[in-house]
Amino acid sequence: AQKITQTQPGMFVQEKEAVTLDCTYDTSDQSYGLFWYKQPSSGEMIFLIYQGSYDEQNATEGRYSLNFQKARKSANLVISASQLGDSAMYFCAMRLYGQNFVFGPGTRLSVLP
Amino acid sequence: DTGVSQDPRHKITKRGQNVTFRCDPISEHNRLYWYRQTLGQGPEFLTYFQNEAQLEKSRLLSDRFSAERPKGSFSTLEIQRTEQGDSAMYLCASSHEIDRGRGFGYTFGSGTRLTVV
Repeated sequence: AQKITQTQPGMFVQEKEAVTLDCTYDTSDQSYGLFWYKQPSSGEMIFLIYQGSYDEQNATEGRYSLNFQKARKSANLVISASQLGDSAMYFCAMRLYGQNFVFGPGTRLSVLP
Repeated sequence: DTGVSQDPRHKITKRGQNVTFRCDPISEHNRLYWYRQTLGQGPEFLTYFQNEAQLEKSRLLSDRFSAERPKGSFSTLEIQRTEQGDSAMYLCASSHEIDRGRGFGYTFGSGTRLTVV
C-alpha cells in the first residue's frame, strides 16, 4: 500500500522568501508519480508540479521546484519568492499509473507581508 | 474547456435525509473520480468510472453511498440516511483514459461541502 507523510501541519514564510514543504512517501512499486497540489480556501485542488519516479532531474514549474530524493523517498516542494497568494493548504500525493491518488494530510502555508 | 463543475457548492441537510451531488467533467475526459475530504485531511478516494462503467467501488464508505454515471458524461454521488460523520467536502475529478502529457494527473472540481446537522 502507498502512504504519504507530511510532518508540517503549518508553516509560515515571509513574503518574497523561499519555503520548503516536506513530503515523504512509501511504496514498493518502482513506477509512480509524485504530485503537489494547492488548495485555497475555495476548495479547488490546483495541480502544481509532477515528478516521475524515473525522472533523473528535479521537476520545476515557474516558482515551484520539487526536490526529489528517491533513495530517501522524499519529494519536498520548494516555493521561491513567496507571494501572499501562496497562502493555502498544500498536499503531496502519489499515483501509480492508472490508479487513484493517495494524498498526505497537507501543510497549511501562511505567507506574511 | 470550462473545467470540472460540481453542484451544489454547499449543502446543509438534517441527519437521516438523502443527498445527491452532481459532477460535470471536462467534456473529452472519459474517467471520472470521486474523493471525500474531511477537515484537516487530504482527499480520500471513493470510486471511479471509465465512461459509464464503475470500475472501482470497494472504497465507498458504506452501502449508504452510491454513484452513477449513466451516459458516461455527468455523474451523481448519493448518500442515503446521512449521518453527522458524512460531513465533509466531496471532490470530483476527471481525466482521459490515456494519461497524456507530464503528470498523468487530473483536473479537480471545487467540491461540494456537505454539513449534516
